[in-house]
Amino acid sequence: GAVVSQHPSWVICKSGTSVKIECRSLDFQATTMFWYRQFPKQSLMLMATSNEGSKATYEQGVEKDKFLINHASLTLSTLTVTSAHPEDSSFYICSALTSGTYNEQFFGPGTRLTVL
Amino acid sequence: AQKVTQAQTEISVVEKEDVTLDCVYETRDTTYYLFWYKQPPSGELVFLIRRNSFDEQNEISGRYSWNFQKSTSSFNFTITASQVVDSAVYFCALIRRGAQKLVFGQGTRLTINP
Repeated sequence: GAVVSQHPSWVICKSGTSVKIECRSLDFQATTMFWYRQFPKQSLMLMATSNEGSKATYEQGVEKDKFLINHASLTLSTLTVTSAHPEDSSFYICSALTSGTYNEQFFGPGTRLTVL
Repeated sequence: AQKVTQAQTEISVVEKEDVTLDCVYETRDTTYYLFWYKQPPSGELVFLIRRNSFDEQNEISGRYSWNFQKSTSSFNFTITASQVVDSAVYFCALIRRGAQKLVFGQGTRLTINP
């Protein structure tokens, strides 16, 4: 199956700093990637849809200026949490979309962000 | 709009017991796909199964089996002879044909006690 990687797997940062998370499709090209956020004991919440070569589409309630998404190539999307605060601490998961009979998403292993 | 409901928030059973995780969905579309994912403590989502709306055959894979019933809009997941390694959060999800966004249920936290 298709493989999606995320880097870093975990990160601890100080409040006010920015953190960049990378999502890569390793063996396929993905024009569309998704970024999810998951709080403890909750389901995945879609934050935004990342489209290669164009602006990301954010879900309602997600601050686009705080969560910057860049999808510069067919295999890489990045999520930058700007001026991170403790409430941004969460598990961030990306997925990459394949094309075909149906749209199947392959998920990355996730990045655990802790903001002190 | 689509919706997936996993009414069981947490389930705890003793090893070797059988356990069924319920999933009920809502959609007006005639063509859609249903999924089950496992999320162990490590956090990575593990794909378990995909079923399209035209295939109501039950599926069995080792100790795992799935029962898809369109009449009740349910796609239940049964683990037979549960093992401690089955402990995880399990998510049911739905996507309609042509769409890109998966709709997830709230998840069921399954704990298998030795």
